[in-house]
Amino acid sequence: AQSVTQLDSHVSVSEGTPVLLRCNYSSSYSPSLFWYVQHPNKGLQLLLKYTSAATLVKGINGFEAEFKKSETSFHLTKPSAHMSDAAEYFCVVSDNANQGGKLIFGQGTELSVKP
Amino acid sequence: DAGITQSPRYKITETGRQVTLMCHQTWSHSYMFWYRQDLGHGLRLIYYSAAADITDKGEVPDGYVVSRSKTENFPLTLESATRSQTSVYFCASNTLAGGTDTQYFGPGTRLTVL
Repeated sequence: AQSVTQLDSHVSVSEGTPVLLRCNYSSSYSPSLFWYVQHPNKGLQLLLKYTSAATLVKGINGFEAEFKKSETSFHLTKPSAHMSDAAEYFCVVSDNANQGGKLIFGQGTELSVKP
Repeated sequence: DAGITQSPRYKITETGRQVTLMCHQTWSHSYMFWYRQDLGHGLRLIYYSAAADITDKGEVPDGYVVSRSKTENFPLTLESATRSQTSVYFCASNTLAGGTDTQYFGPGTRLTVL
C-alpha cells in the first residue's frame, strides 16, 4: 500500500530565508509524486509533479523538489521565502496500480512566513 | 467558464437531513473524485468515478452516495447527514491523458451539520 508522511506539521521561516518542507513516501510501484498548495479558504493548486522523468522537478513560484528513490523522499524547497508563500502544503502520491491515479495525501504542512 | 465548479460553496444543515453537493467540470475529463478535508487528516477520498455510470468507493465512503449520469457532473449525496460529516468537500477531475495523473480541484464546499 502507498502512503505519504509529511515530517513537519508546521514550519515557520523568515521572509527571504530558505524553505524546506519534508516528505517521505512508501510505494510498491513506480510512483507519481506531487506537491499541492492550499491558501486559506481556497482550493488546491498544483505546485509541481514528478512522473519518472528528471529527478529534480521545478514548479511554480520558485519551488522545486527532488525525488530521491534511495531515501524515499520528495522534499520541497525554495531558496527565498515570500510572505505570499504562507499556506498549507500537501505532499501527494499517486496510486498508479489502479486506473484513475487515485491520490493519497499527506497530512499537510502549514508554512508560516515572518516579516 | 471553463474549469471545475462546486455548489453550494457553503451549506448548513441539520442532523438527519439529506444534502447533495454538486460538482461540474467543463473539460470532459473522464475521471472525477470527491474528497473530504478534516484537520489532522489531509484529504481523504470518498468516492471516485472513471466514467459516466462507473463509480467506486474510496477510503471513507460510508454515509455517502454518488452518481454519474453525465460525464461533466458528479454529485455527492449525504442521505442522512451526521455531525461527523461536517467538513470541507473537494471535487477533482483528471484525464490520465499521456499518462499524467494530475488532478484539478474545485474551490470546495464547506458543510456544517448541526
